[in-house]
Amino acid sequence: AQSVTQPDIHITVSEGASLELRCNYSYGATPYLFWYVQSPGQGLQLLLKYFSGDTLVQGIKGFEAEFKRSQSSFNLRKPSVHWSDAAEYFCAVVETGGGNKLTFGTGTQLKVEL
Amino acid sequence: KAGVTQTPRYLIKTRGQQVTLSCSPISGHRSVSWYQQTPGQGLQFLFEYFSETQRNKGNFPGRFSGRQFSNSRSEMNVSTLELGDSALYLCASSLGVRETQYFGPGTRLLVL
Repeated sequence: AQSVTQPDIHITVSEGASLELRCNYSYGATPYLFWYVQSPGQGLQLLLKYFSGDTLVQGIKGFEAEFKRSQSSFNLRKPSVHWSDAAEYFCAVVETGGGNKLTFGTGTQLKVEL
Repeated sequence: KAGVTQTPRYLIKTRGQQVTLSCSPISGHRSVSWYQQTPGQGLQFLFEYFSETQRNKGNFPGRFSGRQFSNSRSEMNVSTLELGDSALYLCASSLGVRETQYFGPGTRLLVL
C-alpha cells in the first residue's frame, strides 16, 4: 500500500524567512500529489497539485513544490513566510485504481514567529 | 460558484445513538468523498461515491455507511456511536476520477 511521510511534525520559522516542508511518498507509478493547508477548526484548502509535466508547480499564496521522482519527494517551499501562513500542512497522494481516495501524511504544524 | 457545504457544523451525541451528516458538493461535481480526522489517527478515508455508486471504501466498521443522491448530495451515517467516533468529518467533492478534491468546512462530532 502506498504511504506518505511528513518527517517534521512541528516547524517554527521567523516571519520573512524561507520555508521548506518535506514530503516523501511510497508509490510505484507516477503519483498524483497534493499539498493542502488547514487552519484551526477549518477544512482543507488546496495549495497546489502535481499531475504530470513540469516538476516545479506553483500554487496559491506564493507556495511552490517540486516533484523529484528519484527521491520520491514533493517538498513544499515558500521564499518568505507571513504570519498568516501559520497552520497545518498536509501532503497527499491519490491511489491508482482507487478512484479519488486521498492518502494523507500526518501533517506538519507550522508556527511563525514575529 | 459556491463551495462544498456540510451540515450540521457541530454535533453532540451520546454513545449508542446514531448520526447523519450531510454534504452538498460544488455544482457539477459528481464525486463525493468522506474523511475522518482525529488527533490520533490523522486524516483517514471513509468512502467515495460517484453517480450514486460507492466506488471505494476505507477500513472502517460497517457502522459507517453513506449514500449519494441523484443531485450528487451525499450523506453519511454512523450507527451505535462510540466515544472514538468523536472527530472532524470532512467531505470533499470533485468533477471526476483523479481530479482535484475540494473540501468542505467539516462537521465536528462529539460523542459523550
